[in-house]
Amino acid sequence: QKEVEQNSGPLSVPEGAIASLNCTYSDRGSQSFFWYRQYSGKSPELIMSIYSNGDKEDGRFTAQLNKASQYVSLLIRDSQPSDSATYLCARRAGTASKLTFGTGTRLQVTL
Amino acid sequence: NAGVTQTPKFRILKIGQSMTLQCTQDMNHNYMYWYRQDPGMGLKLIYYSVGAGITDKGEVPNGYNVSRSTTEDFPLRLELAAPSQTSVYFCASSELARPGTEAFFGQGTRLTVV
Repeated sequence: QKEVEQNSGPLSVPEGAIASLNCTYSDRGSQSFFWYRQYSGKSPELIMSIYSNGDKEDGRFTAQLNKASQYVSLLIRDSQPSDSATYLCARRAGTASKLTFGTGTRLQVTL
Repeated sequence: NAGVTQTPKFRILKIGQSMTLQCTQDMNHNYMYWYRQDPGMGLKLIYYSVGAGITDKGEVPNGYNVSRSTTEDFPLRLELAAPSQTSVYFCASSELARPGTEAFFGQGTRLTVV
């Protein structure tokens, strides 16, 4: 079982809609979770981090963490064409600080 | 405000050649990482370091070596290049592993082995 799993997509949503990206993880010792956005040919950039159960909002982005069910999600409200990218879910476990990524979900926002 | 700097940006190697990918950060971060990303895939951890003199293997360490003699630098060495090592390599760094501490990435090195 992979440490971090994501649906590779592509996930296609119309402009203005809500995009919902999901991620599951296998290690219950995971402490922190991250959503990175990566445009084609570019390096990943952080969108959100979350380490407590519940929701965390930042502008149009909301991260949700459910440790009992071992999943993390990212909601993008009012999706824009500029949101079209690959979204990488990552998790860090404890003091070892090894940062492990999923394979990413490609999001396409259509006009 | 340089952040994480990787050199070179692009490189073509012949099978069997060796090279070192350079990574340096100016944020005084303890943790540094090397990842590779194959087309359409996520990031796979090659090696990581939690401080000068300390390194550990990630998911895909075979064919690579690292060293961490200073806080700033974390070079990745390919000894005998193989076509399977054709990939984009990313170096990243983060400060102490408090919950939610993010990793900052360099701009990547695109390596082709022919």
